[in-house]
Amino acid sequence: DGGITQSPKYLFRKEGQNVTLSCEQNLNHDAMYWYRQDPGQGLRLIYYSQIVNDFQKGDIAEGYSVSREKKESFPLTVTSAQKNPTAFYLCASARGQAQGGTEAFFGQGTRLTVV
Amino acid sequence: SQQGEEDPQALSIQEGENATMNCSYKTSINNLQWYRQNSGRGLVHLILIRSNEREKHSGRLRVTLDTSKKSSSLLITASRAADTASYFCASLSMEYGNKLVFGAGTILRVKS
Repeated sequence: DGGITQSPKYLFRKEGQNVTLSCEQNLNHDAMYWYRQDPGQGLRLIYYSQIVNDFQKGDIAEGYSVSREKKESFPLTVTSAQKNPTAFYLCASARGQAQGGTEAFFGQGTRLTVV
Repeated sequence: SQQGEEDPQALSIQEGENATMNCSYKTSINNLQWYRQNSGRGLVHLILIRSNEREKHSGRLRVTLDTSKKSSSLLITASRAADTASYFCASLSMEYGNKLVFGAGTILRVKS
């Protein structure tokens, strides 16, 4: 089945630890995105990537890092520098500019809690 | 931030009534998209309207786009209890390298 998969579904982190959230897609999409959603709020863009080995900061990139070594994968690391990391994290992919640009497909999200 | 606004923040209607949600954005766009989110889940794409289009229909959904006002609206006709969800608009700007920015969303509750 084609789709976008996020793992794990739930993640607990101790203060001061880095954690990495996984996002994999087999849709052959060029573009991938990471968003953060707080309770009752909209989605805020953390990082996005249009092509392998390239990515851009979104509106709230501080305390986060990403890599895009493969087209299928766009992992997000929440570093200890992120002061309030408890949130719901959503990954999405879409056809990029070269592919015509269209709607995004979302994973089911990872709920990160700092304990 | 390039995040736009949506109104109303929350909407409660009776089954069978129509629901209208509005969205504003800040930059030039290539397209405007609407998504639905059930509680605690990922988002599902509903409809996309390109910057050179003014209106688009899909089933019970009708979307309009006014690029001069940088605004869009989503109309759900003959609502059902199953339409209860949060609805978000998202603007795609290729000027910023395919940046996809979401609004704050509207929480819709349809009472049966």
